[in-house]
Amino acid sequence: QVQLQESGPGLVKSSETLSLTCTVSGGSISIYYWNWIRQSPGKGLEWIGYIFYTGSTNHNPSLKSRVTVSVDTSKNQFSLELRSVTVADTAVYYCARAPYGGASFDDWGQGTLVTVSS
Amino acid sequence: SYVLTQPPSVSVAPGQTATISCGGNNLGDKTVHWYQQRPGRTPVLVVYDDSDRPSGIPERFSGSNSGNTATLAISRVEAGDEADYYCLVWDGNGDLWVFGGGTKLTVL
Repeated sequence: QVQLQESGPGLVKSSETLSLTCTVSGGSISIYYWNWIRQSPGKGLEWIGYIFYTGSTNHNPSLKSRVTVSVDTSKNQFSLELRSVTVADTAVYYCARAPYGGASFDDWGQGTLVTVSS
Repeated sequence: SYVLTQPPSVSVAPGQTATISCGGNNLGDKTVHWYQQRPGRTPVLVVYDDSDRPSGIPERFSGSNSGNTATLAISRVEAGDEADYYCLVWDGNGDLWVFGGGTKLTVL
């Protein structure tokens, strides 16, 4: 069973860049779609973006061009950068794996709370 | 972009059947997945590919998808089923995933 673990700062200042890393253990980062999902306090789940092991990416249009998802296959990690954050970006951020486009997210990290301070 | 609509809340008495809908344009042409999320916990997949159940999920959970609506049904509802439920689809036009807004299931 693959395990995913998010890491990164729990506090980010408004207008700065939020950076998180997801470390994958128990399996290779190759072949799958690696995703970021978030949940603001008291709100629903929001898909942020994915990276395929080949390096192709896509993101939620609602986040415009503030998102970058990257992968480091040598470290079995993938990362999220969210630029120009505001308090509205305060959320629990999850990383998750899907075996292919259209599949469910079968494995999730435990989530990490990131608070954006004004 | 593609939009999924769920009722904010559904209430059901113990032992009864709860139905949670997820609406979207021609949703029946897409594949729907359902997640259960208890407070403070990571979402758990309860139905995938419209109607399949992951191992360990009780047979009480079932799903269907046709037309513009997908439905998650939970039969013989228990207090432990109280949670938020989310539908999820892949929007092939944009190559991206979309979540429904979520439904809070209350067991009376």
